Amino acid sequence: DTGVSQDPRHKITKRGQNVTFRCDPISEHNRLYWYRQTLGQGPEFLTYFQNEAQLEKSRLLSDRFSAERPKGSFSTLEIQRTEQGDSAMYLCASSVPGVGLGGGRSPNEQFFGPGTRLTVL
Amino acid sequence: DQQVKQNSPSLSVQEGRISILNCDYTNSMFDYFLWYKKYPAEGPTFLISISSIKDKNEDGRFTVFLNKSAKHLSLHIVPSQPGDSAVYFCAKLIGNEKLTFGTGTRLTIIP
Repeated sequence: DTGVSQDPRHKITKRGQNVTFRCDPISEHNRLYWYRQTLGQGPEFLTYFQNEAQLEKSRLLSDRFSAERPKGSFSTLEIQRTEQGDSAMYLCASSVPGVGLGGGRSPNEQFFGPGTRLTVL
Repeated sequence: DQQVKQNSPSLSVQEGRISILNCDYTNSMFDYFLWYKKYPAEGPTFLISISSIKDKNEDGRFTVFLNKSAKHLSLHIVPSQPGDSAVYFCAKLIGNEKLTFGTGTRLTIIP
């Protein structure tokens, strides 16, 4: 399997508990993204890494959220003291930065994993 | 501030006819718009993109049109096939390659 994988696929937890999700990107991809999708909405950007460096974090990523990519390969997303509002699908994507022509930049195709569905009771 | 809007949550089209999915945007700063397709229990998959310097891009049955004066883009699928039934998202790509998605349109192709 050469696609992006995420584990677990489903997680049910009680409010106040900590949860951790894992994402394994496509092996040659140096960029890794985390998105969150709630019901009726499109995916919302949370953060992204280039290799092991976390380059951008959304203001959606509160202090309870932390993401790591220690060796530039797989990544983990941890949510501490979960709240019911954290219930969502957490999507991971990976890509290789595109190289454009004429000053522009080709869009790097972001390959998404199947997501981890979190339910906080 | 929803920068990318898909005002039609759902659309039903007869098999073989043309499907037209629409997307409006508010902020004119972008490098590309992309369309993603999502089946249940799967992540979104890239479909087609269009550069800010183009007004049309075509790939097989899929064509995306960009109208910068109206801040509007559309995805045409012709002919529509049952396998096209999915949720379609338009997304804006700017600079650092973070995607900003719309809310999606559920397309149902009726056999």
